[in-house]
Amino acid sequence: DIQMTQSPSTLSASVGDRVTITCRASQSISRWVAWYQQKPGKAPKLLIYQASRLESGVPSRFSGSGSGTEFTLTISSLQPDDFSTYYCQQYNSYSRAFGQGTKVEI
Amino acid sequence: EVQLLESGGDLVQPGGSLRLSCAASRFTFSNYAFNWVRQAPGKGLEWVSAIDNSGFNTFYADSVKGRFTISRDNSKSTLFLQMNSLRAEDTAVYYCAKVSLVTSNFDYWGPGTLVTVSS
Repeated sequence: DIQMTQSPSTLSASVGDRVTITCRASQSISRWVAWYQQKPGKAPKLLIYQASRLESGVPSRFSGSGSGTEFTLTISSLQPDDFSTYYCQQYNSYSRAFGQGTKVEI
Repeated sequence: EVQLLESGGDLVQPGGSLRLSCAASRFTFSNYAFNWVRQAPGKGLEWVSAIDNSGFNTFYADSVKGRFTISRDNSKSTLFLQMNSLRAEDTAVYYCAKVSLVTSNFDYWGPGTLVTVSS
């Protein structure tokens, strides 16, 4: 099965900072990566799909890039509502493995 | 607006069984594939199982293969997860998630239902 390794596990930042989260796949998955945001006690929310496509309604400060085995999620200017946990997920195969998550905290 | 609502979570002893349901409304249920995703307390997301729109094709994580069964009743717009031989490590919030026809990703999720496996 394809494994997803996400880093860092925790990221401390301030409002206005540019933030980058990395996800590495154990084998090439083309561009079949999605990024989700999860707030405490809530279900995850889709932000990015196919590595770089923004889900409808998601602010443009979120962007994604990468292909093959390395992918990044970037928040260009961190806003108060963005302090959450972020997960990458591969969907190259039926077993849709998630990364371990990155908690973005103040 | 799409609605998904899980139910059936409970406290169960190790070795026991539980059946989760996910009731869907406000869209044509039979057109979409679904997944179950779980999250142990304080931990990350773990993909559990998937089913296509017909119900004929199902997939499982290695951690639940042979113990869990995913199914659906398109006439009742309901998704199920039958969980047998439960273990302490199955303790988690279980979410059902709808697969988008456009992006192939999980575009709608239910609020989750808590399963606790403990003696």
